[in-house]
Amino acid sequence: DVKVTQSSRYLVKRTGEKVFLECVQDMDHENMFWYRQDPGLGLRLIYFSYDVKMKEKGDIPEGYSVSREKKERFSLILESASTNQTSMYLCARRTNRGEMNTEAFFGQGTRLTVV
Amino acid sequence: KQEVTQIPAALSVPEGENLVLNCSFTDSAIYNLQWFRQDPGKGLTSLLLIQSSQREQTSGRLNASLDKSSGRSTLYIAASQPGDSATYLCAVTTSGTYKYIFGTGTRLKVLA
Repeated sequence: DVKVTQSSRYLVKRTGEKVFLECVQDMDHENMFWYRQDPGLGLRLIYFSYDVKMKEKGDIPEGYSVSREKKERFSLILESASTNQTSMYLCARRTNRGEMNTEAFFGQGTRLTVV
Repeated sequence: KQEVTQIPAALSVPEGENLVLNCSFTDSAIYNLQWFRQDPGKGLTSLLLIQSSQREQTSGRLNASLDKSSGRSTLYIAASQPGDSATYLCAVTTSGTYKYIFGTGTRLKVLA
């Protein structure tokens, strides 16, 4: 059974705090993603990583950074949390094999509230 | 720029009905399309993946079809049950990219 594990289901942080959201996969998959999900806006890609130490900006990277020091772990960092970063954060992983992309699998989500 | 649309945004049906959810995309140059289910406050659960070379995929009571030329996919749910109540999302990977583009989902409620 494929597992993508996010470290927290719920987080409450204060404005200005540095926040780390952790995601761990149990397979040797190259591609990992961070999305945020907001009512009416759907899922929007923040960052993705296609290998260790490799990353690319998604559609809404402002205010975020990422770290991928090991293949199984992909961290999303809010350098200075703001209230407009209150959202559901979703991590995903998939393997890319040329034309035949495999399924994406998601973690259970982290509901972050910034007060 | 790829855009994905799901209509209707919400749907309510009595238990036992067969139903169809729709997904449209603007750029037909896709690698694949995947359907997901999301329960309130939870992550996404993969239902079906259709590669660009395929026309349909089936899993249990679910059948997904893909028509690349018209930019459409449908998810057919047979004999719906209250446990099918959830939000259903489709997502496409456009050729030459790694990332998924999501639709905004159809919120399904199956009434007992």
